Amino acid sequence: DAGVIQSPRHEVTEMGQEVTLRCKPISGHNSLFWYRQTMMRGLELLIYFNNNVPIDDSGMPEDRFSAKMPNASFSTLKIQPSEPRDSAVYFCASSLTGTHTEAFFGQGTRLTVV
Amino acid sequence: DQQVKQNSPSLSVQEGRISILNCDYTNSMFDYFLWYKKYPAEGPTFLISISSIKDKNEDGRFTVFLNKSAKHLSLHIVPSQPGDSAVYFCAASEGNNDMRFGAGTRLTVKP
Repeated sequence: DAGVIQSPRHEVTEMGQEVTLRCKPISGHNSLFWYRQTMMRGLELLIYFNNNVPIDDSGMPEDRFSAKMPNASFSTLKIQPSEPRDSAVYFCASSLTGTHTEAFFGQGTRLTVV
Repeated sequence: DQQVKQNSPSLSVQEGRISILNCDYTNSMFDYFLWYKKYPAEGPTFLISISSIKDKNEDGRFTVFLNKSAKHLSLHIVPSQPGDSAVYFCAASEGNNDMRFGAGTRLTVKP
């Protein structure tokens, strides 16, 4: 398996523009997570899905952020409109649903909003 | 609210010595704890884990200790090697796989 695949690897956009980050989880994994890495807070959980259903989105910063998982092999994280403070590395991870399992991470998308 | 805390942003040790990375948590319902390792420009990779029913788990040079009463866990690496230089994240989950991470500790192992 190729692992969790995220695209793009790097994204530079202007403030106010819409940004869409994409994730393909590991085949067979039915839990998917979106994290944002910041210097102060480390890996912040933004939202996670079980079987394509959002379970906890309390970590989503504000209404400008939205995430979807239309099927088991694809998820998007959208920021509209983007702001400079959204600049960070965004990671997607997937795991088998159940207790005591580890998550496998993608390589991340480095977002820069200028 | 930061439920998982790594209070040391960085740690430097000499090759061959022991590295001890610390992590504290506030949620007493956490029952599974993990350590992840992250190299630059890569995603975090799983390193070692421990269930709350244990107080120690060992895997080669890596040992994780859990002190539930103190809500504290630590990762010991011995002997430390230059290739261990990375950012280490502590994570915890509560009965499911909703994992919460700390801010990370950057370990530098000097030759």
